[in-house]
Amino acid sequence: EAQVTQNPRYLITVTGKKLTVTCSQNMNHEYMSWYRQDPGLGLRQIYYSMNVEVTDKGDVPEGYKVSRKEKRNFPLILESPSPNQTSLYFCASSPQRGGPYEQYFGPGTRLTVT
Amino acid sequence: GDSVTQMEGPVTLSEEAFLTINCTYTATGYPSLFWYVQYPGEGLQLLLKATKADDKGSNKGFEATYRKETTSFHLEKGSVQVSDSAVYFCALMRRGGNEKLTFGTGTRLTIIP
Repeated sequence: EAQVTQNPRYLITVTGKKLTVTCSQNMNHEYMSWYRQDPGLGLRQIYYSMNVEVTDKGDVPEGYKVSRKEKRNFPLILESPSPNQTSLYFCASSPQRGGPYEQYFGPGTRLTVT
Repeated sequence: GDSVTQMEGPVTLSEEAFLTINCTYTATGYPSLFWYVQYPGEGLQLLLKATKADDKGSNKGFEATYRKETTSFHLEKGSVQVSDSAVYFCALMRRGGNEKLTFGTGTRLTIIP
């Protein structure tokens, strides 16, 4: 089944404790992206990647890192999480640039930072 | 910058009622427009899209027409069902950009039997 998977689905952590949210897609998509969803703000892009080893900042990159060492994986790293990073996070992928192609979203990761 | 404004929710309708969710946008050039739907506990799924002025996107009985003159992309359905209960997001993607979707704030729709 074609899908985007994220792990964990739920995470409660404390301020300053490094964490990684994994994202993997099995559709051989070139493009991957991370969004955060907050009430009243919709979804906002954090980082994106056009292909392996190519990543760039979205609209709200502060406090986050990403890497794209393999085509299928695009982990989101919070080196020192803070309470304002409590949010619902979605990973997305699409075939390639030059669309507009449908973006496929993962099921989401609900993160709480205390 | 680009922005999407959609009607505030929540919206509650009876089954078989007519649905309209308003969406207007601000963007340079001619963006592509989308409606995504989010069912409880799930990620977003593409519902329909339109890539140029006067295009009509349609899927599962939902329709939306790209109106350049009013910068709008309102979502409509003639007869809603309980299974349509979800959060609906209007979004745009600028051509030649980084494939970023700019989303509205979402509209929660509840259909009561």
